[in-house]
Formats: sequence, C-alpha cells, structure tokens
Amino acid sequence: DTAVSQTPKYLVTQMGNDKSIKCEQNLGHDTMYWYKQDSKKFLKIMFSYNNKELIINETVPNRFSPKSPDKAHLNLHINSLELGDSAVYFCASSSTGGAVTEAFFGQGTRLTVV
Amino acid sequence: SQQGEEDPQALSIQEGENATMNCSYKTSINNLQWYRQNSGRGLVHLILIRSNEREKHSGRLRVTLDTSKKSSSLLITASRAADTASYFCAALNAGNNRKLIWGLGTSLAVNP
Repeated sequence: DTAVSQTPKYLVTQMGNDKSIKCEQNLGHDTMYWYKQDSKKFLKIMFSYNNKELIINETVPNRFSPKSPDKAHLNLHINSLELGDSAVYFCASSSTGGAVTEAFFGQGTRLTVV
Repeated sequence: SQQGEEDPQALSIQEGENATMNCSYKTSINNLQWYRQNSGRGLVHLILIRSNEREKHSGRLRVTLDTSKKSSSLLITASRAADTASYFCAALNAGNNRKLIWGLGTSLAVNP
C-alpha cells in the first residue's frame, strides 16, 4: 500500500486554468505538507496542516489554496495558473507529537503550465 | 533565508569509494534529518540525528552532528551505483517544532 499518494502524477495545462492536486496518507499522521520543488531542485515548503488546522503558510500567492477535509487528506487548488507555477509539487506527512519526526513524501506531481 | 546549505553541490565518485556530504544551518535545532531523492521520485527519509547526539550509524550511512559549528555530515561508505541520487538535509528549527529547514541538496553520481 502506498503510504502517501498524490494524484495526478503529471499535469499539463494552459495558463489561466484552475487545477487541483490531491493527496492522501494512510499512515495515521497528524501533519501534512505541500512542498514545491523548482527546476534547480530547491525544496520550498508552502503549507502545513496539523489535525486539519493550517499551521504553516509561507509566502505563497493566494492563487494557491490548500484544503484539508480530514487528517488523511490535503488537497491543493491553484487558480489562474501562471508559467512560473511549473514545478514538481510534493505532498508529505509526518507525526508531530512533541516534535516533527521523519516526513514521508508522495511521488510528486509534475505541473507544466504552457 | 529558509534553506540550509549543503556542500558540495555535486559529487562524482567511483563505486567502492566513500562519499561525504556536508550540511550547515543557522538556527538552534531539535533534530537534523537526511533524505535521498532519486531522479523523478519523492524524497525518502534516511536517518535522523537529535541535537543531543553526535554520531549515528545506519548500515553504510554515518551521520555526525556538531551543534557548536551548526553543521552535519553524511558519509556513505563503499558506495554503489545505486546510491546515485540527490541528498538533502533538513533541520528542525528548535523554535518551531513543525517546520523543517531544507538544504539545497548534493547531487551524487557513483560511476560503475
């Protein structure tokens, strides 16, 4: 069973469109994350939810809106897509307890905006 | 800035040699973690070292942590072609227990 799964794996879309990426974890973790990895492989955290509550919201355009319907799911909706949004987006989860332990990552969604 | 720093940015070695990657960070940390990323794949956790630990081993991996110098190193012994990947360090900020500060990664190529 895949621990952290995200769909779709590839997404090619035109500028101006709205798209969503879905993420689910079956590890029972209480914290989920969205990361963006650019072409230079720099990994930047975008959002983090703990028990469905937003706890980290980095400087991200408000065209990006996360939604966590329950602890096991964290979806990312992107409005009015721009060329600069092209990147690989990773979902991850971890168990926090007293402090963050290891993070488990999904396989990534490669978003290409044309 | 958000990220830690790693060096070297790229490393190319022959199979059987040891590979050493370094990571530096700027704040006080709770723990430091190393991850591996194969091309086109997600990151996989390798090892975690707590701030009160100085050295940790896992198979062919050896991690050291020097909190006075705010640095860590990852040593892969007897490297194999399958070790070819990018390696990232991530420091858990002691002031914010839910935020990992990521390094830029070291791209390791192990030539057969």
